[in-house]
Amino acid sequence: EVQLLESGGGLVQPGGSLRLSCAASGFTFSSYAMSWVRQAPGKGLEWVSAISGSGGSTYYADSVKGRFTISRDNSKNTLYLQMNSLRAEDTAVYYCAKSMGIMIVVVTMYFDYWGQGTLVTVSS
Amino acid sequence: SYELTQPPSVSVSPGQTARITCSGDALPKQYAYWYQQKPGQAPVLVIYKDSERPSGIPERFSGSSSGTTVTLTISGVQAEDEADYYCQSADSSGTPYVVFGGGTKLTVL
Repeated sequence: EVQLLESGGGLVQPGGSLRLSCAASGFTFSSYAMSWVRQAPGKGLEWVSAISGSGGSTYYADSVKGRFTISRDNSKNTLYLQMNSLRAEDTAVYYCAKSMGIMIVVVTMYFDYWGQGTLVTVSS
Repeated sequence: SYELTQPPSVSVSPGQTARITCSGDALPKQYAYWYQQKPGQAPVLVIYKDSERPSGIPERFSGSSSGTTVTLTISGVQAEDEADYYCQSADSSGTPYVVFGGGTKLTVL
């Protein structure tokens, strides 16, 4: 059974940093690209970032480019999101999601499994 | 930036057919995907590649595409189908930036 378990969320002040983790199990982690998708309270879904199965290719939404870094440790079956220079508008539930292929290409960039999410609150 | 447009809300009575649309200029060239999200839960993929249904998704869920609009159809709506529905696609550039529609709240009356 595929499982994705996010952790690392919490309350952080504006300008602060946080690192999210997503522990994966039930599938060959290194064979699939992964993404982070967030959802602000009462709002819709927003894709944040993606990383290829090998970790060699990454993409970011313009809203987080230069502030967030996605990475993965395939030996630990874990996905990460390092978030720096956090802003109030980054407040959201952050989901990790499994893509359909190893590379980040349009035809496989959709998500068949999602974690339950971790809440990040940016507030003073 | 590329946008996908969905109606904010759709309401139907149990047993009726619900149709949720998603419009975007690149939809003739790019596949669309649909997710169902119930309160407090993670999204669930219900349709992929415009009209394919993942295993475990009831047959009453179907998808179609026509020009710049894709449609999620739920036939014989049940109370348990009340949820937010999001479409997902990409722009026509070929770059794999994921775009979600704003979401549609389906209310079962």
